[in-house]
Amino acid sequence: DAGVIQSPRHEVTEMGQEVTLRCKPISGHNSLFWYRQTMMRGLELLIYFNNNVPIDDSGMPEDRFSAKMPNASFSTLKIQPSEPRDSAVYFCASSPQNSPLHFGNGTRLTVT
Amino acid sequence: GNSVTQMEGPVTLSEEAFLTINCTYTATGYPSLFWYVQYPGEGLQLLLKATKADDKGSNKGFEATYRKETTSFHLEKGSVQVSDSAVYFCALSVAGGGADGLTFGKGTHLIIQP
Repeated sequence: DAGVIQSPRHEVTEMGQEVTLRCKPISGHNSLFWYRQTMMRGLELLIYFNNNVPIDDSGMPEDRFSAKMPNASFSTLKIQPSEPRDSAVYFCASSPQNSPLHFGNGTRLTVT
Repeated sequence: GNSVTQMEGPVTLSEEAFLTINCTYTATGYPSLFWYVQYPGEGLQLLLKATKADDKGSNKGFEATYRKETTSFHLEKGSVQVSDSAVYFCALSVAGGGADGLTFGKGTHLIIQP
């Protein structure tokens, strides 16, 4: 079991640039979640998918954020344009039906 | 709405001390409750869970009991080790095991000194 795989582990970019974060869930898990972690706000759920379909994106902070899940083994979170306040650790998690979440090791994003 | 409140950290203890990290929640319906642990540079890992009132979750010497009357799920361990140093998150889900995503507390940083 390779676990949830996120890439890159670290991303440093300049304000205004497009950022794409990637996630490969555990095979067989039908739910996928994107979280953002900051010191000030803790862990926030941004969006989650069930069977590749977005179910709840009410946590996505602005239209600059978008997420896709084109198939069961891949998801992206995109920020365009990025801003310094987007700096955070972004986690992807997956789970099988009605089971606890398994988290990836996160992507640390720094926007300068 | 749903929310989780944890005691503020950091919590600093000596090795072999008794640990309690308080957690209370507010939720619609009957949530499932979880404790996750995050080691430096890693994602969160499930530590234990409880799905109904009076259930006790346990793992690696940690325990937590689902107390519906006090809406609490306090984490305890009888004798902590240096390797227990991490950030601990209490969380709830109102849709089974987390199908709706989890609502997390802000985390409690635990530091165990030798």
